[in-house]
Parts: sequence; C-alpha cells; structure tokens
Amino acid sequence: EAEVAQSPRYKITEKSQAVAFWCDPISGHATLYWYRQILGQGPELLVQFQDESVVDDSQLPKDRFSAERLKGVDSTLKIQPAELGDSAMYLCASSPPGMNTEAFFGQGTRLTVV
Amino acid sequence: RKEVEQDPGPFNVPEGATVAFNCTYSNSASQSFFWYRQDCRKEPKLLMSVYSSGNEDGRFTAQLNRASQYISLLIRDSKLSDSATYLCVVTQNQAGTALIFGKGTTLSVSS
Repeated sequence: EAEVAQSPRYKITEKSQAVAFWCDPISGHATLYWYRQILGQGPELLVQFQDESVVDDSQLPKDRFSAERLKGVDSTLKIQPAELGDSAMYLCASSPPGMNTEAFFGQGTRLTVV
Repeated sequence: RKEVEQDPGPFNVPEGATVAFNCTYSNSASQSFFWYRQDCRKEPKLLMSVYSSGNEDGRFTAQLNRASQYISLLIRDSKLSDSATYLCVVTQNQAGTALIFGKGTTLSVSS
C-alpha cells in the first residue's frame, strides 16, 4: 500500500538552530499539505501545495518557517531559527487530484526544541 | 470563533455503549466533511466521509446538516479498540480542498 514518507521521525534541536523536515507524498498526488499538531490539539494547516505552487500559506509563520516543493513531488519544511514553542508533531499529507478528496498522512516528525 | 468546534470530551464509556460526537463548522462554503481517527502518537486516518444523505459503515453512522452547519458521528456497540481521538474535518479555502481539523474528542472505552 502506498504511503506518505516523512523523515526524520524524531528530531531534537536547540533553540535558535535551523531544522528541516522532508516529505515524499504518494505517487500521483498533486496536493501536499504540511500540518503542525501540538499535543492535545487538532492538526493546524501550515501550508498547502498544488503541484509546485503554494495554494494556502496564510497560517505559516513566514518570519521563521519556509516550505518548498520545487519539482512538484517531494517537499521540505524548514524552521530557522527554532523556538521552544515550535515543539510539536509536524505532519505531511497528500491528496489525489480532484475536489473533496481525503488526505493521507505520513507518520510525522516529532520535533523537540530544547 | 474557531472554524471547526467539537465536544471537548473526554468520553469514558463501557463496552457496548452507544456514544455520539458533535461538531459544528463556521464556514457555510465548506464543501466536504470527514471524520478522522487518531490513535495516541499516531497519524490521523480517515474513518469515514460525511454526506448530506447520511452514511453508515458498520457500527459507525455519520450525519451532516448543512443548514445548521452541524456534523455528527454515532458509534454503536463500542469496542475497546474504538478508544482513540476522533477529529471532525471540513474542507475550506478558495480551492475547496484544504482540510481544517477540529480539536478532536477523545473516547475511552473500558471493559
């Protein structure tokens, strides 16, 4: 069964350092999402791509976060500099073409900033 | 006002009980509706889509009321394995595709 791949699974970093997460969506899925989930909360959308274009990044803290999907396939989310409040699970998801389709999630990257 | 609001929970029920979760959404332009299930420290997974006509999958029944902007999930004959967090999800942005999640409601089924 096709899966969304994410790496690393776990990351511990010191505050003010840079950190990057990688996601490879299910083949053929044009839509890719990055979500952040704080313990006890639902996933919060950070950015949505359609192929290589950003569709929605209204909730992305652009002073420190950046995301790219240069060839419309895999994607990288970067935080620089990391802050203590960035500790969370970062989830990548992808959807097949078309409207109103479900999203399939990767296992996530659990980030701890110390 | 949060875009998707759910019962705060947690719900603690015995095996065999029937339990219902409620959800309201603020954007009347929302087009698609889902319930996702998330086990502890795992990724969310689709439980079922929600249609205006209502839909049923075994012990699970989902209902949508567009006029009231209200979604529900009913679980009958609860099993221990149903213990999880249930997330209400709606789509809303200009492309009509971004999935917006509620905070989730935690269910604990005990023997």
